[in-house]
Amino acid sequence: AQRVTQPEKLLSVFKGAPVELKCNYSYSGSPELFWYVQYSRQRLQLLLRHISRESIKGFTADLNKGETSFHLKKPFAQEEDSAMYYCALKGTGSGGSNYKLTFGKGTLLTVNP
Amino acid sequence: DGGITQSPKYLFRKEGQNVTLSCEQNLNHDAMYWYRQDPGQGLRLIYYSQIVNDFQKGDIAEGYSVSREKKESFPLTVTSAQKNPTAFYLCASKLGGSTSGANVLTFGAGSRLTVL
Repeated sequence: AQRVTQPEKLLSVFKGAPVELKCNYSYSGSPELFWYVQYSRQRLQLLLRHISRESIKGFTADLNKGETSFHLKKPFAQEEDSAMYYCALKGTGSGGSNYKLTFGKGTLLTVNP
Repeated sequence: DGGITQSPKYLFRKEGQNVTLSCEQNLNHDAMYWYRQDPGQGLRLIYYSQIVNDFQKGDIAEGYSVSREKKESFPLTVTSAQKNPTAFYLCASKLGGSTSGANVLTFGAGSRLTVL
């Protein structure tokens, strides 16, 4: 079974402060992990994925297989980063499990001026 | 303009009635998904389909049914057996395969179902 845990429902920081949104996963194989973001009145969209090793809008996330974590980080938060963030896991097994994407419960980030 | 279209945006239903939510995509994606989004619950997978004429149950399939007769369409029926159907429903699709970006989901705008 695959499971994604985001321990914080709400996270509030001030503009310019560092931010870290936590994500832990449970999966027996080698997963593919993603962060999706939903800004106010917009569709849910991809922020970044671990296989790309990219930085998007100043956010980075590193897959730590030892700690089964994929935390999202940004050194200096901006007001426009305020949104709901979801961590997601895709299995890499054969058949249907390769298509199943499991999401965490989400963390609502608020960046205060 | 490519994307996913969900309809209706808002839907009201009386208890005991079945209702069907539409999801259409013109992205030529192979896989399609239905998620339910509730406050504090995140996104929970209802059904997914890898290919036409094939679909699998997700984590909360009870009380729901789907069909995938065409590549571009994946309608979701919320039946009277669903105990708590009032929710926001999201449809998504992805290309599938092994190319870059093949596993990235594209989401629709959602349908909000309220049972009266």
